[in-house]
Amino acid sequence: GAGVSQSPRYKVAKRGQDVALRCDPISGHVSLFWYQQALGQGPEFLTYFQNEAQLDKSGLPSDRFFAERPEGSVSTLKIQRTQQEDSAVYLCASSERLAGFFDEQYFGPGTRLTVT
Amino acid sequence: KNEVEQSPQNLTAQEGEFITINCSYSVGISALHWLQQHPGGGIVSLFMLSSGKKKHGRLIATINIQEKHSSLHITASHPRDSAVYICAVANSGGGADGLTFGKGTHLIIQP
Repeated sequence: GAGVSQSPRYKVAKRGQDVALRCDPISGHVSLFWYQQALGQGPEFLTYFQNEAQLDKSGLPSDRFFAERPEGSVSTLKIQRTQQEDSAVYLCASSERLAGFFDEQYFGPGTRLTVT
Repeated sequence: KNEVEQSPQNLTAQEGEFITINCSYSVGISALHWLQQHPGGGIVSLFMLSSGKKKHGRLIATINIQEKHSSLHITASHPRDSAVYICAVANSGGGADGLTFGKGTHLIIQP
């Protein structure tokens, strides 16, 4: 079946603009993760969903970042009033079971956000 | 927070060479992932392991829980193995605090 997909693949936003990044996980996958990867760095955890429940959002860097997964499938990461330091690749991953950290994660291609 | 260190940061080798990439972490974990990231950002999960050794084709991953260390080996390396290899750990003790990633090892295999 299809893997994890993300859209858009590339987004250029002017500073102060709001953006919404979409993730379509593998169908039936319970766990969904968002990561932020700055240029030349490894990814960093942002937030985690089990079905529609956001169990951990401790990695979100500020209250400008908001994520939702209202029906337990598609997820949206929203960034309000974007700043230049928000420029990064935003990766989404899903895994089949609960406690997804102990389970193989399948990554999407990422959305490269550039804030000018 | 777990600190994950990878070495080397960059590695250039000739086709056919045996490659070793190392990963060490500071706090006990429940699982360790090796990931491969190609230019353009796509990440593929290579291994998830919590003990011992796993092998898939030319790739071998080992982990020593007592020493908090894992290695990824590539035998008979090929230019298509050129990518960034990332080690990521899932902390033990439960809780949804995400994977902690190393910064990656940039591998280039020259023909």
